[in-house]
Amino acid sequence: AAGVIQSPRHLIKEKRETATLKCYPISRHDTVYWYQQGPGQDPQFLISFYEKMQSDKGSIPDRFSAQQFSDYHSELNMSSLELGDSALYFCASSPRGTARGYGYTFGSGTRLTVV
Amino acid sequence: AQKITQTQPGMFVQEKEAVTLDCTYDTSDQSYGLFWYKQPSSGEMIFLIYQGSYDEQNATEGRYSLNFQKARKSANLVISASQLGDSAMYFCAMREGGTSYDKVIFGPGTSLSVIP
Repeated sequence: AAGVIQSPRHLIKEKRETATLKCYPISRHDTVYWYQQGPGQDPQFLISFYEKMQSDKGSIPDRFSAQQFSDYHSELNMSSLELGDSALYFCASSPRGTARGYGYTFGSGTRLTVV
Repeated sequence: AQKITQTQPGMFVQEKEAVTLDCTYDTSDQSYGLFWYKQPSSGEMIFLIYQGSYDEQNATEGRYSLNFQKARKSANLVISASQLGDSAMYFCAMREGGTSYDKVIFGPGTSLSVIP
């Protein structure tokens, strides 16, 4: 079965540019989560969506926005990029009804480099 | 406040030996889940093992087992018969709450190096 798909795998942007990261969850997974992992850091939760509505918000900068579409895929939009935004961005998805169990699956990540 | 503590920034183990990676957590929820993930240098986040707070038996998945001590809020990962491919970062993580959209939060991680 296909896992969580993230695109692109690698992205290089200049300061002050914008970037859009995409996440395609596993089929029938209705919840999507975004994480940011800086070099040598643990993943930090940014934002999540459940049934196309924002369900939780973490340490996401105001320059970032995200949404979940009708097909449940999600996009993370990042504007006015800064050098400190260079990180590995993960998306995870989870199906309905797994409050604490299995099913929380990560994509391979998008490595964003801001130069 | 840090909800998940991993006190070992780095660990070394001889190939074929067992190793225990420590994890303690803090929650006031009665119902929660604990995860361990492996992150090799390639960057992907690989799910290893899961323990529910109401699970009476310790979880096992092949060479991985979770030593769950609920009263001590401890969820240590035991890797038996270490292999060179086990060299990676290991993250302990927790999912609190009672809804299907609750997020997982991570500890700081432990870097494991397996020595030939």
